[in-house]
Amino acid sequence: DIQMTQSPSSVSAFVGDRVTITCRASQGIISWLAWYQQKPGKAPKVLIYGASSLQSGVPSRFSGSGFGTDFTLTITNLQPEDSATYYCQQALNLPLTFGGGTKVEIK
Amino acid sequence: EVQLVQSGAEVKKPGESLKISCQASGYNFVSYWIAWVRLVPGKGLVWMGVINPADSDTRYNPSFQGQVTISADRSTSTAFLQWSSLKASDTGLFYCARRDAYYSYMDLWGQGTTVTVSS
Repeated sequence: DIQMTQSPSSVSAFVGDRVTITCRASQGIISWLAWYQQKPGKAPKVLIYGASSLQSGVPSRFSGSGFGTDFTLTITNLQPEDSATYYCQQALNLPLTFGGGTKVEIK
Repeated sequence: EVQLVQSGAEVKKPGESLKISCQASGYNFVSYWIAWVRLVPGKGLVWMGVINPADSDTRYNPSFQGQVTISADRSTSTAFLQWSSLKASDTGLFYCARRDAYYSYMDLWGQGTTVTVSS
């Protein structure tokens, strides 16, 4: 299985800040990576697919980058509604695997 | 409206069987694989397996192979996740999700079904 390692496990930032979350795959996954946002009591919601493609309807302050084994999710101009847990997911091989999650809190 | 609607919360005893459901609407059910994902507190999301409703081709995460059965009924546009003999460790929150045909991410999710197994 491809292991996905996210960091940090949690981050606290102010409204308006820029937040960067990283995800590392245990082997190269080209650009087969998605990012999800999950709020308490809600289902996950996809933000980014194909490492850098923004899902329809997702605010442009979310962006993704990376290739191979190292990927980042960046939230620019952090908003109160961005408080959530974020997960990366590799989409190259079955079983699909997720990172452990990053909890983003607003100061 | 394009949506996946899951069955309600379940409380079961160890050893009992259970089948939870995920009904699709608003799109062609047989055009997208349906996955099941478990939310594990403190560990995050775990992909359990996926089924192609068009032909019932099913792929399991080896961690769940033999522990659960995934199935689908095209006539009702419904996917299922079932256990034949529940254990306390099966307690959790389970989501169904539609898998994008090309990029293999989950683009549409059900609301989740909570399963509690307790004597």
